Amino acid sequence: SQQGEEDPQALSIQEGENATMNCSYKTSINNLQWYRQNSGRGLVHLILIRSNEREKHSGRLRVTLDTSKKSSSLLITASRAADTASYFCATDEDAGGTSYGKLTFGQGTILTVHP
Amino acid sequence: KAGVTQTPRYLIKTRGQQVTLSCSPISGHRSVSWYQQTPGQGLQFLFEYFSETQRNKGNFPGRFSGRQFSNSRSEMNVSTLELGDSALYLCASSLSPGNTEAFFGQGTRLTVV
Repeated sequence: SQQGEEDPQALSIQEGENATMNCSYKTSINNLQWYRQNSGRGLVHLILIRSNEREKHSGRLRVTLDTSKKSSSLLITASRAADTASYFCATDEDAGGTSYGKLTFGQGTILTVHP
Repeated sequence: KAGVTQTPRYLIKTRGQQVTLSCSPISGHRSVSWYQQTPGQGLQFLFEYFSETQRNKGNFPGRFSGRQFSNSRSEMNVSTLELGDSALYLCASSLSPGNTEAFFGQGTRLTVV
């Protein structure tokens, strides 16, 4: 079953605009990771944010995590056509202080950036 | 540094056959996990191996199995293939389970006819 729910399911913007995607989850987590996938290919790791972190940056990416609301957001600034892809959040559930290496994925957001 | 390598990239099998997929993790990574991706169910966890031990298994029938070797390479096997097993199978590797980034391979696209 999918733990994460992503919102919106699809997002269409113009090049240069910012894109924001949201992810909600249900259980306590060790960390949350964001991935990008192009046309059914492999997943590209974007960023990992740990449960004790609130915000993280990497290049044009900004991720926030609110564990009290069990939600995260991914912001891509100054979007490019090459950012067109599906974006997934994945949570590593906190199993009593242990991780069993299982990531639970949301359904993803399809981002289309028009040139 | 080489990424996660999955072989083969594409596979076509007939119902009832069995298939073995291979995954070579990033050098130094000891945790390998497998996922199935389909349009209907999305990305679903199959199993995870660390130090040659299966530590976690997803909700899949016993036809799905796997193993990990001493060099951390992993294989998954699906026996008695069904049409519904058609999917993209993804392997991920990480240094160790928990709080480390998981890096994925390009996947094996399995089509069952």
